[in-house]
Amino acid sequence: GAVVSQHPSRVICKSGTSVKIECRSLDFQATTMFWYRQFPKQSLMLMATSNEGSKATYEQGVEKDKFLINHASLTLSTLTVTSAHPEDSSFYICTPGGARGAFFGQGTRLTVV
Amino acid sequence: RKEVEQDPGPFNVPEGATVAFNCTYSNSASQSFFWYRQDCRKEPKLLMSVYSSGNEDGRFTAQLNRASQYISLLIRDSKLSDSATYLCVVRTDTGRRALTFGSGTRLQVQP
Repeated sequence: GAVVSQHPSRVICKSGTSVKIECRSLDFQATTMFWYRQFPKQSLMLMATSNEGSKATYEQGVEKDKFLINHASLTLSTLTVTSAHPEDSSFYICTPGGARGAFFGQGTRLTVV
Repeated sequence: RKEVEQDPGPFNVPEGATVAFNCTYSNSASQSFFWYRQDCRKEPKLLMSVYSSGNEDGRFTAQLNRASQYISLLIRDSKLSDSATYLCVVRTDTGRRALTFGSGTRLQVQP
């Protein structure tokens, strides 16, 4: 069964709007959640690491004011894409740290029009 | 240079064929190694971990050469359902312990 539940699976939004993506850990507590992004025909690239109770860690080149990450509880991490642009269109996906790190959320395909 | 390099393919093989994928990684501090499978527009799914002694899971065999920083995956008796992109993945087991992905090798098994 699923280890991590990610929603929404698909979203289309207008340029300039914000989109929130949720990842919930099921039946376990995730102190860390990794957020990845995948552009077509490219590898998954780590964007940031959310940590429950502290600030997220962002990878080089990822704007922290644009990609807001919140790890509100031990079972919920969210990624908000603010003021979305067409170049933000991508596949966003989460995976917990620790022993469950082999499993991914179902992914969110974001299309910004 | 990419941290994890793979031949993007595609590899087009007939059913029943044996096919091998290779991968090299640049971070000598990498300590855990995996092969994932990703179907089109879906999340990656763990196929198998890779150990220095080599390991086998049914038709799939993985090998790791730490000295050469080289990982391989062998698929025997290919099935149509094996068609997917195979991702080579490494992880350092210190620090944040995030997974680092190769860009994947696409396999198309044909009837």
